[in-house]
Amino acid sequence: GNSVTQMEGPVTLSEEAFLTINCTYTATGYPSLFWYVQYPGEGLQLLLKATKADDKGSNKGFEATYRKETTSFHLEKGSVQVSDSAVYFCALSVSGGYNKLIFGAGTRLAVHP
Amino acid sequence: NAGVTQTPKFQVLKTGQSMTLQCAQDMNHNSMYWYRQDPGMGLRLIYYSASEGTTDKGEVPNGYNVSRLNKREFSLRLESAAPSQTSVYFCASSDQGARETQYFGPGTRLLVL
Repeated sequence: GNSVTQMEGPVTLSEEAFLTINCTYTATGYPSLFWYVQYPGEGLQLLLKATKADDKGSNKGFEATYRKETTSFHLEKGSVQVSDSAVYFCALSVSGGYNKLIFGAGTRLAVHP
Repeated sequence: NAGVTQTPKFQVLKTGQSMTLQCAQDMNHNSMYWYRQDPGMGLRLIYYSASEGTTDKGEVPNGYNVSRLNKREFSLRLESAAPSQTSVYFCASSDQGARETQYFGPGTRLLVL
């Protein structure tokens, strides 16, 4: 079946530190991959996405590269800010007809000054 | 544009009571979704509506019903609430199915006693 596995949190970093949140997936077919972010008290919003192998999604200094050979879509940012504190969700959607988004469990990031 | 709106924001129910969660979107999207979010489990799809006039079960439909009232509105009904339905409920919409970006509402926090 289709599934997404994320590293467990919380991840605690100091401001300006480098961030990596690991995400691996299992999927039939050719998935699109997404990172969503949830700020405290809010709904989820799309952070970035990639629709085919070797694509790099990027937004707000965050990047993730679709790696088919390792079935991974790790999220990275070179220098985090306190305002990046949130819960990050990796998700996939598989091609072929209508399909749902499958979410990972989420990783909470806390950035301290 | 308001995007996706949900009412109420917070609700307390007693076991066995019923209620309807309302969701509306003003982006002229065809597809709408209801998710529940529980700690450590990410988001799980309850029901979705690929287009006006159609609804389908997601991953966890038991105990819920939905109505796609028109293109804008998609409601979720709990006929007889149970403590296991204590959760945060999110409505989302997208233009043409799950491979497109989904836009989320702010959520409804439901407590069933």
